[in-house]
Amino acid sequence: KNEVEQSPQNLTAQEGEFITINCSYSVGISALHWLQQHPGGGIVSLFMLSSGKKKHGRLIATINIQEKHSSLHITASHPRDSAVYICAVSYQVKAAGNKLTFGGGTRVLVKP
Amino acid sequence: SQTIHQWPATLVQPVGSPLSLECTVEGTSNPNLYWYRQAAGRGLQLLFYSVGIGQISSEVPQNLSASRPQDRQFILSSKKLLLSDSGFYLCAWSIGALTYYEQYFGPGTRLTVT
Repeated sequence: KNEVEQSPQNLTAQEGEFITINCSYSVGISALHWLQQHPGGGIVSLFMLSSGKKKHGRLIATINIQEKHSSLHITASHPRDSAVYICAVSYQVKAAGNKLTFGGGTRVLVKP
Repeated sequence: SQTIHQWPATLVQPVGSPLSLECTVEGTSNPNLYWYRQAAGRGLQLLFYSVGIGQISSEVPQNLSASRPQDRQFILSSKKLLLSDSGFYLCAWSIGALTYYEQYFGPGTRLTVT
C-alpha cells in the first residue's frame, strides 16, 4: 500500500512570499497529482506529472522519481491562493482504472 | 467540453434512513468513475470505482454501495445510514483504463447524518 505524506500540514504566509509544499510517497507510481480544494469543498486538479517539472502561472510542480518526492511551489503568493493543497498518487492496476491515494493535505493561508 | 454534476449539494439525513447520491458526466464516453469521501478533519478516501457499465469495485468495506446503470451515471447508495457516514462525498471521472489521466472532480455533496 502506498503511503503519501505531505508537509507541512498548515502554512501561513504573507502576500508575495514564496511557498513550498512537499509530498513523499513510499511505492513506485504512474503519476503524481496536485489538487487544490477551496473552502467550499470543490476540488480542482492543478497538475499531473510523472517526471521533471510543470509550470502553470505562478504554480510550479516538480517530481523526483528516484527519491519518491514532489514539491508544489507558489510564487508571489496571493490571498486567493488560500486553500488546501492535496497530493495524490496514482498507480496502474490492469483493468482497474486510475486509482488515487491521497496525502492528508496542506492548509495554506495567505494573509494580505 | 466535459462537465460533471452531483446532487444534491447538501443533505441532512437521520440515522437508519436510506441514501442515494447521483453523479452524471457530460461530454465524454466510457469514462472511469470514482466515489470519494472526505470525513471531517480527514483526507480523501476512495470508496468505489467503475471502468464500465455495471462494473463496480469497492475499496472499503462498509454499508455503502455503488451502481452504474448508464455509461455516464454513477450512484452511491445506502440502505441504512450510520453517523460515521457523515462527510463530503465527491464524484470524479477520468479517461482511459490502461494509462493514467487527470481526474476531474464534481462539486461534491455534503452529507450530515443526525
